[in-house]
Amino acid sequence: GAGVSQTPSNKVTEKGKYVELRCDPISGHTALYWYRQSLGQGPEFLIYFQGTGAADDSGLPNDRFFAVRPEGSVSTLKIQRTERGDSAVYLCASGAPNSPLHFGNGTRLTVT
Amino acid sequence: GENVEQHPSTLSVQEGDSAVIKCTYSDSASNYFPWYKQELGKGPQLIIDIRSNVGEKKDQRIAVTLNKTAKHFSLHITETQPEDSAVYFCAASMGTGGFKTIFGAGTRLFVKA
Repeated sequence: GAGVSQTPSNKVTEKGKYVELRCDPISGHTALYWYRQSLGQGPEFLIYFQGTGAADDSGLPNDRFFAVRPEGSVSTLKIQRTERGDSAVYLCASGAPNSPLHFGNGTRLTVT
Repeated sequence: GENVEQHPSTLSVQEGDSAVIKCTYSDSASNYFPWYKQELGKGPQLIIDIRSNVGEKKDQRIAVTLNKTAKHFSLHITETQPEDSAVYFCAASMGTGGFKTIFGAGTRLFVKA
């Protein structure tokens, strides 16, 4: 079956621009997570959804970061006024009750 | 909140030897401990997990042990092969499918042929 799909796989943007990163979870998975991974580091928690609502957004670094999941399936991570420090791989994962997280291959964001 | 420490950051072993990676966690409420393997350009993939009601779990060449009292858990890979070379992450959570999962910083494992 299809796994977690993230698009685009790579995104290069200029400092100050707005970007959107998309995640298509595994069908039927109610939980969806966003993580950020810097080079040589572990995934850093940003936010997770149960259905349409954000159950925990304590990892979002500041108000330039926002995520939505309007229909409880696809999610979009939005970053406003991008900064060079936002450059990282953004990972999405989905999960079902009593199942572990399944990750996509990430979107590599480069802010120039 | 939960904090997960992982050691070593880099591990180099000869093919056929064993590799051990150790992690500690801070939140006694955590009860689910997955291990992930990440290859270059890919997302992390689950290789084994353990719940807090079990002290040890084995799957072929991979085993995980958990000491709840000391709040530490370890990954053991026996008879290592070159294809085991990757970055390994431990993680801790209060459950599956709907709980925040916190990751360690990772261990880069090199298996020399």
